[in-house]
Amino acid sequence: ETGVTQTPRHLVMGMTNKKSLKCEQHLGHNAMYWYKQSAKKPLELMFVYSLEERVENNSVPSRFSPECPNSSHLFLHLHTLQPEDSALYLCASSQEIGTQPQHFGDGTRLSIL
Amino acid sequence: QKEVEQDPGPLSVPEGAIVSLNCTYSNSAFQYFMWYRQYSRKGPELLMYTYSSGNKEDGRFTAQVDKSSKYISLFIRDSQPSDSATYLCAMTGGSNYKLTFGKGTLLTVNP
Repeated sequence: ETGVTQTPRHLVMGMTNKKSLKCEQHLGHNAMYWYKQSAKKPLELMFVYSLEERVENNSVPSRFSPECPNSSHLFLHLHTLQPEDSALYLCASSQEIGTQPQHFGDGTRLSIL
Repeated sequence: QKEVEQDPGPLSVPEGAIVSLNCTYSNSAFQYFMWYRQYSRKGPELLMYTYSSGNKEDGRFTAQVDKSSKYISLFIRDSQPSDSATYLCAMTGGSNYKLTFGKGTLLTVNP
């Protein structure tokens, strides 16, 4: 596989469920990102990791919990989500923190019932 | 004033037309400019990446940056139905990892 792979592609969950989103990059990059894409809004940066260390938490509610066990994998753990959290969640990577461009996965479409 | 303004469209053109997509920005610190293409149910795919003012060409695509006017454009020549997608502009300054995106323009190219 090449590029940035996200699983699952679609997820429907209740407000009390706990689930996790997974991202894997095969580009040898050292920086990884989580973005939220909602309808008619620009992409919003959520979290940034550089060599497994979190460098950014962009005022994201604690019901979203990221994890980066190594430079190739990134997780987003979800619990007690709200209906307004329904969106497309995109993972991206770049060679190093602060270098461009960022390469995106196809995202996880999340629906909260 | 929003940092990046992009007309959301939708924009509908006949096959073979020249398409012009535009973004304006307010932050003079922006130095790196990108255009991403996003097909339905897919992630953004990098199309063009420019650093300085001027034009950059890649096949049917030309990216133009005018820093004095804080204005960037993407031109698509001989547009094809396969160009139908949402086009996102994105920009950042220096070694900043924070990309600022426009809302995207939905383009449809009709056969």
